[in-house]
Amino acid sequence: AQKITQTQPGMFVQEKEAVTLDCTYDTSDPSYGLFWYKQPSSGEMIFLIYQGSYDQQNATEGRYSLNFQKARKSANLVISASQLGDSAMYFCAMREGGGGTASKLTFGTGTRLQVTL
Amino acid sequence: EPEVTQTPSHQVTQMGQEVILRCVPISNHLYFYWYRQILGQKVEFLVSFYNNEISEKSEIFDDQFSVERPDGSNFTLKIRSTKLEDSAMYFCASSEGRWSSYNEQFFGPGTRLTVL
Repeated sequence: AQKITQTQPGMFVQEKEAVTLDCTYDTSDPSYGLFWYKQPSSGEMIFLIYQGSYDQQNATEGRYSLNFQKARKSANLVISASQLGDSAMYFCAMREGGGGTASKLTFGTGTRLQVTL
Repeated sequence: EPEVTQTPSHQVTQMGQEVILRCVPISNHLYFYWYRQILGQKVEFLVSFYNNEISEKSEIFDDQFSVERPDGSNFTLKIRSTKLEDSAMYFCASSEGRWSSYNEQFFGPGTRLTVL
């Protein structure tokens, strides 16, 4: 079974609109972390936002927020007020285990977001 | 702001040749990682490294691969005899490793390896 599932290979959104990128995960570890990374066409991986499994509140970072529904095992990324510069590939990733370990990140297949005028 | 650096940005090699990809992690970080991304596919974990030894490796990381921290700053990935299917973007990442933090992994800009 896939540990991270991103079901939207591509999404379009109009500038200034909000968009939700879906991510579901699968783990039996009670301690885990969920990450979203942005990969523009230049190729680098840019960290956006993190949600820990024990965090009580949904994470927010500027225009990014994470809609964390633990019972459903989903961690959707919400981008508000989309900008042309948001056009990129977006990856959801999970770390199983606590933060103080060399635990790997497992990535989903990504969603390509295109922001239009 | 501190960042992970990688050299070279692009490496072209002939099949069967050895390549060494270099990374300089963020200076106070304790955990180091290599990932690869075949063009158009997802990012895959290769290996993690802590305290001068491998912590975990994936099934991709076979005997053709090795990692080393030859000095206090560099972290290298060696592929002994490259194959066509090794063509990919290779990312180095590092993290602090503090229990109180979420241990975000900071990624370098990547090295694009092309095997001909």
